[in-house]
Amino acid sequence: AQSVTQLGSHVSVSEGALVLLRCNYSSSVPPYLFWYVQYPNQGLQLLLKYTSAATLVKGINGFEAEFKKSETSFHLTKPSAHMSDAAEYFCAVSAGGSSASKIIFGSGTRLSIRP
Amino acid sequence: GAVVSQHPSWVICKSGTSVKIECRSLDFQATTMFWYRQFPKQSLMLMATSNEGSKATYEQGVEKDKFLINHASLTLSTLTVTSAHPEDSSFYICSARPWTGGNEQFFGPGTRLTVL
Repeated sequence: AQSVTQLGSHVSVSEGALVLLRCNYSSSVPPYLFWYVQYPNQGLQLLLKYTSAATLVKGINGFEAEFKKSETSFHLTKPSAHMSDAAEYFCAVSAGGSSASKIIFGSGTRLSIRP
Repeated sequence: GAVVSQHPSWVICKSGTSVKIECRSLDFQATTMFWYRQFPKQSLMLMATSNEGSKATYEQGVEKDKFLINHASLTLSTLTVTSAHPEDSSFYICSARPWTGGNEQFFGPGTRLTVL
């Protein structure tokens, strides 16, 4: 079974500051890991995904995440926050590349940006 | 590419009526589509997985007779909320996985259902 835990339901940073959103996963098989962003009343947009290739994954909008097996973590970072980054972020896990695999979402972290 | 649409984007209905929500993959074929519901300030909860031409697989606790799913073609899945009640009010989001494989899902913009 797979699960993800997002630490911190709400993170607030100043514009230009480092963004760090934490995600820990649990999986009985090598996982696929995802970060999605959701703006109010909209669907989800994929930021980046890890699929067992490079452990440092670069995504859109300057975000990146590092897969650390020893820590079972997949934290999302961005060096300099922008006002437009304010949104809800979801970490998700799936059991590999099977087309039947479900994606399990974390509880989400709301990112606020202070001017 | 990889665009998924939902219709309608919002709907308000009276208690006891049925509501149909459509999910379409616009520029790819999807053998598998997923339906989620999301309550305010909460995460997405998977309701069911639908495969083209076969019966949907429902998650534990989801009433299959209340939430009817039809995946009639490789580009269209529908969710019908039957005899809707106020507690069914929620944000419903679908996603589609391309038939070409891999594990990525592309999400629709969601449908806001309000039952009066």
